[in-house]
Amino acid sequence: SQTIHQWPATLVQPVGSPLSLECTVEGTSNPNLYWYRQAAGRGLQLLFYSVGIGQISSEVPQNLSASRPQDRQFILSSKKLLLSDSGFYLCAWSKGLGTGELFFGEGSRLTVL
Amino acid sequence: SQQGEEDPQALSIQEGENATMNCSYKTSINNLQWYRQNSGRGLVHLILIRSNEREKHSGRLRVTLDTSKKSSSLLITASRAADTASYFCARTNFGNEKLTFGTGTRLTIIP
Repeated sequence: SQTIHQWPATLVQPVGSPLSLECTVEGTSNPNLYWYRQAAGRGLQLLFYSVGIGQISSEVPQNLSASRPQDRQFILSSKKLLLSDSGFYLCAWSKGLGTGELFFGEGSRLTVL
Repeated sequence: SQQGEEDPQALSIQEGENATMNCSYKTSINNLQWYRQNSGRGLVHLILIRSNEREKHSGRLRVTLDTSKKSSSLLITASRAADTASYFCARTNFGNEKLTFGTGTRLTIIP
């Protein structure tokens, strides 16, 4: 069966510090991968998606970047965090782009102070 | 905004009652999905309905889709305390196949 792991679950970072959130998927190959951000009490905003190794599409201009160094690994990064980067970050995967359900990780709660 | 709008934003009902949540959207869709999110957790897929379908059932869940009104509804029958969660609709549009999520309905089931 397929599983998705996302870490760390929680982190508190000072403004201006770097960020690295990691997501890995097991039990499937060539998944589509996604990073979403959820502000408190709000819906999900798609940040990045990837259909293959090294292929990253950005949905909104921002202080974050994403990379996919391996087929089932997706990393969300920032060189210098802003207060506005605080939020709940969710990694997800799907078998096809727009053709079916997303499978989500448990999320990473980032607080920037 | 291309986001769907869930209605109501929050809903509290007694255990055993039925809960109905609605989702409206603005552009033609390919399919529409409903997800559930327990507080502080990831989202879990509940049901997918395609644009050529009008109704789907899964256990105590019933989803309807009215493409002429650009709306969908999620009905949870015989609610349980464990149904307390936020519920989101999400859709893919023709020509833009990434899921776009609505703002969600916070459902509270009172024991």
